[in-house]
Amino acid sequence: GEQVEQLPSILRVQEGSSASINCTYENSASNYFPWYKQEPGENPKLIIDIRSNMERKQTQGLIVLLDKKAKRFSLHITDTQPGDSAMYFCAASWNNNRIFFGDGTQLVVKP
Amino acid sequence: NAGVIQTPRHKVTGKGQEATLWCEPISGHSAVFWYRQTIVQGLEFLTYFRNQAPIDDSGMPKERFSAQMPNQSHSTLKIQSTQPQDSAVYLCASSLDVGGSAETLYFGSGTRLTVL
Repeated sequence: GEQVEQLPSILRVQEGSSASINCTYENSASNYFPWYKQEPGENPKLIIDIRSNMERKQTQGLIVLLDKKAKRFSLHITDTQPGDSAMYFCAASWNNNRIFFGDGTQLVVKP
Repeated sequence: NAGVIQTPRHKVTGKGQEATLWCEPISGHSAVFWYRQTIVQGLEFLTYFRNQAPIDDSGMPKERFSAQMPNQSHSTLKIQSTQPQDSAVYLCASSLDVGGSAETLYFGSGTRLTVL
């Protein structure tokens, strides 16, 4: 089965609204949860991450929430802009540094 | 800092030929990862090294894929007898790997492999 499940696969929102992407993970030993953004033709780049000693982290219009009990974490983008349109990947890490990625969410922000 | 450097950017091979992909990690990074990206499979883990030693190659198709890291400045991924289903973007990433805890992955631009 999938180590990290990510939904939705496609997300269309209106400019200025918020966007939420949800991920679940299998291994309760996971302790590191990064989010990567990949723009067309570019490589994935880290935008925010959270470790298991936190439940919430916020930076520059991005909020990540972690619910260890439910093995669920999420990314929330507030006040979306067309420049936020990209593929977003959640990931989880356990077993030292191996990082498992979700299948990605294509975010489309409509002007 | 030039970031993670991957060469070539594009490679086209005929079915059955060999392909070698190169990766130069960021200087000072001790962990190097290989991923394969396709539309169908997403970002698929292949293998990784820490301090040049292979740590986990559980994502590698065993028969035709191999990876080496002969020194701290480069790693190679070799695919023998390439098949059309090997067509993908192969991404190399490196991280600082401080104290064994997971750190940010810095990805290269990838090598787009096309097997005809």
